[in-house]
Amino acid sequence: QVQLQQSGPGLVKPSETLSLICTVSGGPLTSTYWNWIRQPAGKGLEWIGRISASGINDYNPSLKSRVTMSVDTVKNQFSLKMKSVIAADTAVYFCAKGGYSGYESWGQGILVTVSS
Amino acid sequence: EIVLTQSPDFQSVTPTEKVTITCRASQSIGSNLHWYQQKPDQSPKLLIKYASQSIPWVPSRFSGSGSGTDFTLTIDSLEAEDAATYYCHQSSSLPRTFGQGTKLEIK
Repeated sequence: QVQLQQSGPGLVKPSETLSLICTVSGGPLTSTYWNWIRQPAGKGLEWIGRISASGINDYNPSLKSRVTMSVDTVKNQFSLKMKSVIAADTAVYFCAKGGYSGYESWGQGILVTVSS
Repeated sequence: EIVLTQSPDFQSVTPTEKVTITCRASQSIGSNLHWYQQKPDQSPKLLIKYASQSIPWVPSRFSGSGSGTDFTLTIDSLEAEDAATYYCHQSSSLPRTFGQGTKLEIK
């Protein structure tokens, strides 16, 4: 089973860009989708979007204007950028592997706080 | 967007009890419904895929059923370690969505 390790800053200023990376080990970045999901404190899960190994993206319409995802198959990483962040973007961000059959592997989660 | 509504939101149960959590979709999603368990400060863990398919590392007391719009997660003979929040999730259409969660407290 693959493992996902997340990295990135835990504090971002309002109006700036949130950037996170998910590094995949134990298998290549192929044949499935790689997802980003977030969870505000004490609340439920929100799907942000996904990217395939070939770089095809699908984003949640509610965030689409601010989100960019990319993939680096050489480094076995995929990344999330969210621009113009506000306090409401404060959440634990997870990366996860999976497509139609559910998300079988998850990163450890990173708390990103938007504050000046 | 497909809305998933879980019930109940919260349940307090005793060990060995049988627990049933339901998830209703706002439109038919076939069997494209999955269940997760999330314990505090942990990532969600996949319990059941495609409504009723078991996951090898998940204890056999967890089972799922349903299709179309109505789904059920059942925990037979609850154990103390099952205290967690449970989420359903649909992969029928984009954007992917989750239920609001059901929190299980062990008495």
